[in-house]
Amino acid sequence: IQLTQSPSSLSASVGDRVTITCRASQGISSWLGWYQQKPGKAPRLLIYAASSLQSGVPSRFSGSGSGTDFTLTISSLQPEDFATYYCQQTNSFPLTFGGGTRVEVK
Amino acid sequence: QVQLQESGPGLVKPSETLSLICTVSGGSVSSYYWHWIRQSPGKGLEWIGYIHNNGYSNYNPSLKGRVIMSVDTSKNQFSLKVTSVTAADTAVYFCAKEVVTATAPNPFDIWGQGTMVIVSS
Repeated sequence: IQLTQSPSSLSASVGDRVTITCRASQGISSWLGWYQQKPGKAPRLLIYAASSLQSGVPSRFSGSGSGTDFTLTISSLQPEDFATYYCQQTNSFPLTFGGGTRVEVK
Repeated sequence: QVQLQESGPGLVKPSETLSLICTVSGGSVSSYYWHWIRQSPGKGLEWIGYIHNNGYSNYNPSLKGRVIMSVDTSKNQFSLKVTSVTAADTAVYFCAKEVVTATAPNPFDIWGQGTMVIVSS
């Protein structure tokens, strides 16, 4: 299953609302997770099952969608949120990741 | 809280076998599904496969049968071997723990810090 993220990069300011989309090549129900990765670090799980917030993740992060179209939203971008974000499908093997969306300072 | 630490050679020669170990602390290696993921320099994430102590495993076909994973309960570790490596296997390799829910597979909630492996003569 191929996952296509858009945009591949975006520029935003602190306080902005940011939306990243992930489209699956076939239906994956709600079997989608979102990760945040900073340079030189391992990815951090933000959202699982499309919309469930992982423990310890700030509530400004939210996920939605089902089937083939999914969205990660950051309601008010904070300085520590500048990073690359990846979606991942766990509907079927092989597990796959999207190509990533880099969120940069405007 | 489970923690993971990868270890292994940082340099492997072409055609040889890449071998990495992930040491589990704060939990039992018998209790969870364990995954390996890699990230080529400047690129995205590629799932390599998973292993469980119950014997279940699944590997990414993209690695064309070159992957072997195992669990060592006596050392609380699990391992990855990739045979016949080429420069294309140069990457940061991560081990990770799968989220525990009533269904599987699931995303990964705990990751090691990653270890860089370069394939070069």
